Amino acid sequence: NAGVTQTPKFRVLKTGQSMTLLCAQDMNHEYMYWYRQDPGMGLRLIHYSVGEGTTAKGEVPDGYNVSRLKKQNFLLGLESAAPSQTSVYFCASSPGRGLAGVYTDTQYFGPGTRLTVL
Amino acid sequence: QQQVKQSPQSLIVQKGGISIINCAYENTAFDYFPWYQQFPGKGPALLIAIRPDVSEKKEGRFTISFNKSAKQFSLHIMDSQPGDSATYFCAASINNFNKFYFGSGTKLNVKP
Repeated sequence: NAGVTQTPKFRVLKTGQSMTLLCAQDMNHEYMYWYRQDPGMGLRLIHYSVGEGTTAKGEVPDGYNVSRLKKQNFLLGLESAAPSQTSVYFCASSPGRGLAGVYTDTQYFGPGTRLTVL
Repeated sequence: QQQVKQSPQSLIVQKGGISIINCAYENTAFDYFPWYQQFPGKGPALLIAIRPDVSEKKEGRFTISFNKSAKQFSLHIMDSQPGDSATYFCAASINNFNKFYFGSGTKLNVKP
């Protein structure tokens, strides 16, 4: 049981380049999230998904796109990278609504992707 | 505008001492308040959480104190150990946990 994995671990981009960050979870969780972590800012929600085929905007969605074509995967795309997107990106998942119809709230985080945009 | 304000930014405590980290919020709709612990190079991990229907929750050496009227909550680490040295984040969410709002983090250093 790998939990939440993120690919790649590190990446350096030039301004204007594009890339996709992959998040995968093997816990059959409904909800998945993408955060960015910057010094002194804590974690800020970029986009999230409450189920396969659904996505929604978080606090800081501009410049990012996401897709959730399969339940276990959540992709974060940068179409035209900017230096302001230099950050550590974390993916998380949570069970969402359980079998009893009660929301379970623990988020499980991946190890992070350190992205530098020059 | 940060939804959850956390202080202090950094904290140094001697081994065996008590570490206290505070958070404050404005949105009274928040109904779930977790604390996360993050070690360098790792993702955050849930440490302890509380709902506003109780004023205190204790798990081992970790205690959350919650003051609904003041819209504040705090993490107390009793008998702090060097292994507790990490960054701690408070957070808050509403209803069905679609969105979590995190504090800015506190870097704790427990000196042996």
